[in-house]
Amino acid sequence: NAGVTQTPKFRILKIGQSMTLQCTQDMNHNYMYWYRQDPGMGLKLIYYSVGAGITDKGEVPNGYNVSRSTTEDFPLRLELAAPSQTSVYFCASRVARSGNTIYFGEGSWLTVV
Amino acid sequence: DQQVKQNSPSLSVQEGRISILNCDYTNSMFDYFLWYKKYPAEGPTFLISISSIKDKNEDGRFTVFLNKSAKHLSLHIVPSQPGDSAVYFCAASGGIQGAQKLVFGQGTRLTINP
Repeated sequence: NAGVTQTPKFRILKIGQSMTLQCTQDMNHNYMYWYRQDPGMGLKLIYYSVGAGITDKGEVPNGYNVSRSTTEDFPLRLELAAPSQTSVYFCASRVARSGNTIYFGEGSWLTVV
Repeated sequence: DQQVKQNSPSLSVQEGRISILNCDYTNSMFDYFLWYKKYPAEGPTFLISISSIKDKNEDGRFTVFLNKSAKHLSLHIVPSQPGDSAVYFCAASGGIQGAQKLVFGQGTRLTINP
């Protein structure tokens, strides 16, 4: 029972480099999310998706892009990495009905130097 | 604009006593509230939730209270155990536009002392 799987778990990027954080879920959940957590802060929503082909911005979308070509996958793309994007990234998913809890992946630690 | 606030960054409680974690919100459209628990190097895990039609929900040692007029909710853990030491996040969702999204507070680090 894999749940929400994120890769890579750790990554160091140089300023200006690009990378993709992968996220996949095997629970057939419609909704998927990307959050970031900075030290001592709560989770901030970057992007979310309510189904394949549909994505929308959250609170802090600048510097990121997403796509949702399948129900299972929701990759997060950083095009030009900046030190401000050093953070822990969490992917999450849930079923469509309002109020259901969301399930998180284990997190991806990203450092931009 | 912090819609969900946890004003205590940390809380220390003796083992066996009651732990009370607090959360305030500003958006009156929120109608569903959740508490998540997070250990270091892991993703948050769901703990307990409450709908706005209720004012209390219990699950074992965990009880969440909701005061809609004060826009305040609290999580009570009794008795507190060493394994409860973690960061606790309050989250809320609701409204036509917001039903799909959870808004999180900053978290409270709970330490249970033996």
